[in-house]
Amino acid sequence: DVKVTQSSRYLVKRTGEKVFLECVQDMDHENMFWYRQDPGLGLRLIYFSYDVKMKEKGDIPEGYSVSREKKERFSLILESASTNQTSMYLCASSSRASSYNEQFFGPGTRLTVL
Amino acid sequence: AQRVTQPEKLLSVFKGAPVELKCNYSYSGSPELFWYVQYSRQRLQLLLRHISRESIKGFTADLNKGETSFHLKKPFAQEEDSAMYYCALSGRGTDKLIFGTGTRLQVFP
Repeated sequence: DVKVTQSSRYLVKRTGEKVFLECVQDMDHENMFWYRQDPGLGLRLIYFSYDVKMKEKGDIPEGYSVSREKKERFSLILESASTNQTSMYLCASSSRASSYNEQFFGPGTRLTVL
Repeated sequence: AQRVTQPEKLLSVFKGAPVELKCNYSYSGSPELFWYVQYSRQRLQLLLRHISRESIKGFTADLNKGETSFHLKKPFAQEEDSAMYYCALSGRGTDKLIFGTGTRLQVFP
């Protein structure tokens, strides 16, 4: 069973704080993704990584950065949190070797920025 | 531009009624289409993919290239089908998914 874990289920931070969201997968997947999920907007891709130290901007990268130092771990960083970054953040992973292109999701981190 | 459109934010039906969740896409080429589902307090998970031509939990979806649609159907809804459903698209040769805005299905007893 693929397992994707996220470091926190709920997080409350103050405007201007630096925030780290961690994601770990245990299936040796090459691809990892960070999305934010907002009502009425669906899932929007923030960043994508297809290998260690490799990253690619998604649709809404502004205000975010990422780090992938190890294959199993993908971190999302909010350099200076703002209230409009209050959202549910989902991490996902997938295998490049699979022809099915299925993404496996973590439970999500609900971030509130005050 | 690549886009997935789910026109309904909320779909409410009674148990036993047929269900159709609409999905239209815009893509220049041959996309791969998926339906993902998120039950209450559970993580988002794959429901079905068009290339498998499978029926999962009684749901089916047919890719209609002429109408650029991939509607999800079930002949008799069950209460346990209540969930958030997302249609998603992937281009050939890419690992990224483009998601629609989602449709919440409510099945009343």
